Amino acid sequence: DVVMTQSPLSLPVTLGQPASISCRSSQSLVYSDGNTYLNWFQQRPGQSPRRLIYKVSNRDSGVPDRFSGSGSGTDFTLKISRVEAEDVGVYYCMQGTHWPQTFGQGTKVEIK
Amino acid sequence: QVQLVQSGAEVKKPGASVKVSCKASGYTFTSYGISWVRQAPGQGLEWMGWISAYNGNTNYAQKLQGRVTMTTDTSTSTAYMELRSLRSDDTAVYYCARATMIVAPSSGAFDIWGQGTMVTVSS
Repeated sequence: DVVMTQSPLSLPVTLGQPASISCRSSQSLVYSDGNTYLNWFQQRPGQSPRRLIYKVSNRDSGVPDRFSGSGSGTDFTLKISRVEAEDVGVYYCMQGTHWPQTFGQGTKVEIK
Repeated sequence: QVQLVQSGAEVKKPGASVKVSCKASGYTFTSYGISWVRQAPGQGLEWMGWISAYNGNTNYAQKLQGRVTMTTDTSTSTAYMELRSLRSDDTAVYYCARATMIVAPSSGAFDIWGQGTMVTVSS
């Protein structure tokens, strides 16, 4: 199975400041169709996961533009340009290229 | 609107079985699949398996093979996940999520999630 490794696992941030989460895969996530199926999810306390980003850098409908995804191959990043209070929660990367699909361990974002 | 609505919380004894339902609405059920993901208390997300609502094909996580069965009822647009021989470490919130129709990646996977079903296994 493809192992997804996130860092850091805990991220205290100041309101209005940027935040960045890294996600690395144990093998390339480029599929035979040329696409890279790397997703990012946000899970607020007590809620279901919500997809924020698909195929590395595409924001889902309704996702604020302060969230951005980047990367290629095995190395990916989720950035929040200016953290707001509603961004508190756990963020997961997930690869959909190889079966079984696998998740990272999660990064807990909290306000300092 | 597009949504997945799951059945309510369950409390089961060790060794028993549980069957969780996931009713889809707002989209063509048979054009997608359903993945099941669970989350133990305070832990991360674990993919359990997938079923195609198009042809009923399944793919299960290796660690659950033999204990889990996923099915669909296309007449009611409902997916089911049954887990047998329950153990205490099966205590978790179980989620369904919209997935691909075939065993291949897609942008349309994991875009919609159910509200979760808490399953508690305790003697």
